[in-house]
Amino acid sequence: EAEVAQSPRYKITEKSQAVAFWCDPISGHATLYWYRQILGQGPELLVQFQDESVVDDSQLPKDRFSAERLKGVDSTLKIQPAELGDSAMYLCASSQVGAGGFPQYFGPGTRLLVL
Amino acid sequence: SQQGEEDPQALSIQEGENATMNCSYKTSINNLQWYRQNSGRGLVHLILIRSNEREKHSGRLRVTLDTSKKSSSLLITASRAADTASYFCATATNTGFQKLVFGTGTRLLVSP
Repeated sequence: EAEVAQSPRYKITEKSQAVAFWCDPISGHATLYWYRQILGQGPELLVQFQDESVVDDSQLPKDRFSAERLKGVDSTLKIQPAELGDSAMYLCASSQVGAGGFPQYFGPGTRLLVL
Repeated sequence: SQQGEEDPQALSIQEGENATMNCSYKTSINNLQWYRQNSGRGLVHLILIRSNEREKHSGRLRVTLDTSKKSSSLLITASRAADTASYFCATATNTGFQKLVFGTGTRLLVSP
């Protein structure tokens, strides 16, 4: 069964350093999502792509976070500089497109610890 | 911001018992989805119910949706230890591209 791939699985970094996360969605899924999940809470959408275009980045802290999906396939989420409050799980998901909605398929996530 | 509120926040039961979790939300929706998350891992989609549906079943799962009360429930029958996880409801609104807003989750513990 096809899966969403993410790397790395774990990342420890120091405050003010740059970090990058990579996601490869399920083949054929036009929509890709990046979420941040703080321990004990539900995931919160950071950015949503439709093919290579950003369709929602209203919750992305644009002063330090950036995301791209250049060829409409895999995607990279970057944080520069990292802050202590960025420690969280970063989840990538993908889905098909259509009226009525489709399930989202999640990767295993990247757990980030900022020291 | 989180639209959905799950209730209870935590639930502890014995194997074989049924588990019921509730979700309330605030705005009109296109569909509502339930996801499961095992400790420290990614989320797994369980079931999707559209706004014009009232009930759906999938194996031991039963989901109901009451759009007049803006609420949904997830029933897991004959629980197993492997059902131990956090369960989240997520709502997709009517406008634009489907964007899921997740609730706060219910932590379910099923003891052998």
